[in-house]
Amino acid sequence: EPEVTQTPSHQVTQMGQEVILRCVPISNHLYFYWYRQILGQKVEFLVSFYNNEISEKSEIFDDQFSVERPDGSNFTLKIRSTKLEDSAMYFCASSEPRGSGEQYFGPGTRLTVT
Amino acid sequence: GIQVEQSPPDLILQEGANSTLRCNFSDSVNNLQWFHQNPWGQLINLFYIPSGTKQNGRLSATTVATERYSLLYISSSQTTDSGVYFCAGSPFAGNNRKLIWGLGTSLAVNP
Repeated sequence: EPEVTQTPSHQVTQMGQEVILRCVPISNHLYFYWYRQILGQKVEFLVSFYNNEISEKSEIFDDQFSVERPDGSNFTLKIRSTKLEDSAMYFCASSEPRGSGEQYFGPGTRLTVT
Repeated sequence: GIQVEQSPPDLILQEGANSTLRCNFSDSVNNLQWFHQNPWGQLINLFYIPSGTKQNGRLSATTVATERYSLLYISSSQTTDSGVYFCAGSPFAGNNRKLIWGLGTSLAVNP
């Protein structure tokens, strides 16, 4: 069964460093999303992406964040200058073009900022 | 915006017991999904259920959209069912819609 994959599974970085989190959505899906979950809290929406542009973003998704689809398979989330409060689990999701809207999630990347 | 309330917040079961988890929405919701977050933090899709009833093995879910709630039933619970169960939905139907999440129900199943 097709699945969303994410790399790395765990990343440790120092405050102020740039990180890029990578996702490979399900191959025929055209809608992509990033969510995050701070430890012990609920999952929060960050951004949705379609047709090579951002469709919607939350207040969390400030100028430090960017997303990109650099090729036909990858979807990335970049944090330019990480802060301690960026430590969280980051989930990528995708949904199919003519489907119901059901979102399929990757296993997540645990980001630790020290 | 839509508020999602899940109950109970915590639940402890003995293996073999049945349980019902509830999700209430403050307004009409679409694209309703249930997830299981395992101890490794992974989100597992359980159901996409904007309305009606679905069953998958020992799990089933029912959404009553007109009354803005959804229920997840776990029968004959096993230790592997432990983890956090989340419901999430979006204010609008279709693709490209952000999911708004509840705080989850933390389930522990003891052998």
